[in-house]
Amino acid sequence: ETGVTQTPRHLVMGMTNKKSLKCEQHLGHNAMYWYKQSAKKPLELMFVYSLEERVENNSVPSRFSPECPNSSHLFLHLHTLQPEDSALYLCASSQEGGTRSTDTQYFGPGTRLTVL
Amino acid sequence: ILNVEQSPQSLHVQEGDSTNFTCSFPSSNFYALHWYRWETAKSPEALFVMTLNGDEKKKGRISATLNTKEGYSYLYIKGSQPEDSATYLCASPGGSQGNLIFGKGTKLSVKP
Repeated sequence: ETGVTQTPRHLVMGMTNKKSLKCEQHLGHNAMYWYKQSAKKPLELMFVYSLEERVENNSVPSRFSPECPNSSHLFLHLHTLQPEDSALYLCASSQEGGTRSTDTQYFGPGTRLTVL
Repeated sequence: ILNVEQSPQSLHVQEGDSTNFTCSFPSSNFYALHWYRWETAKSPEALFVMTLNGDEKKKGRISATLNTKEGYSYLYIKGSQPEDSATYLCASPGGSQGNLIFGKGTKLSVKP
């Protein structure tokens, strides 16, 4: 399997549930990203990991908790979400994660999350 | 905070038409401009990364130009086909950490 994969593709959860989104990249990249896309809004960066260290937390509420156990895997743990958190969550990776990088980011297909 | 704007928001063309759309960004402290193509239910796919003023890049029937002095990039599609239907995103490094800031995209629909 190649590229960036995400599971699950669709997730429906209640506000009191705990769930996790998984992302895996098979490209040998050093940086991984979580983005959120809400309706009518551009892609918004949530978190950046470079060499398994978190280098960016873009003012994301603590009910979203990322984890990067190794350079190939990235998780987004979800707890006590709100209906307004319903969105498409995209994972991406790039060779390097330095600031102002010209590296192409490779995206997964996303997880469509619905919070009831 | 960098603002990346794209226009038009959506575009409907007939098969065989050529089309173009715009990405604008602040011209100060420019570093790079990325174009992505995003088909429904698929992953966004990188098209171009552009860094030099006056640069022009081409991939099949799709090409892009860059003007860093005035802060815009054009994406051109020659002889549109139904399979070109997608949302086209542009992005530029910005913000305090220089991570990619995306525009809202231009949604292209090509009718057979």
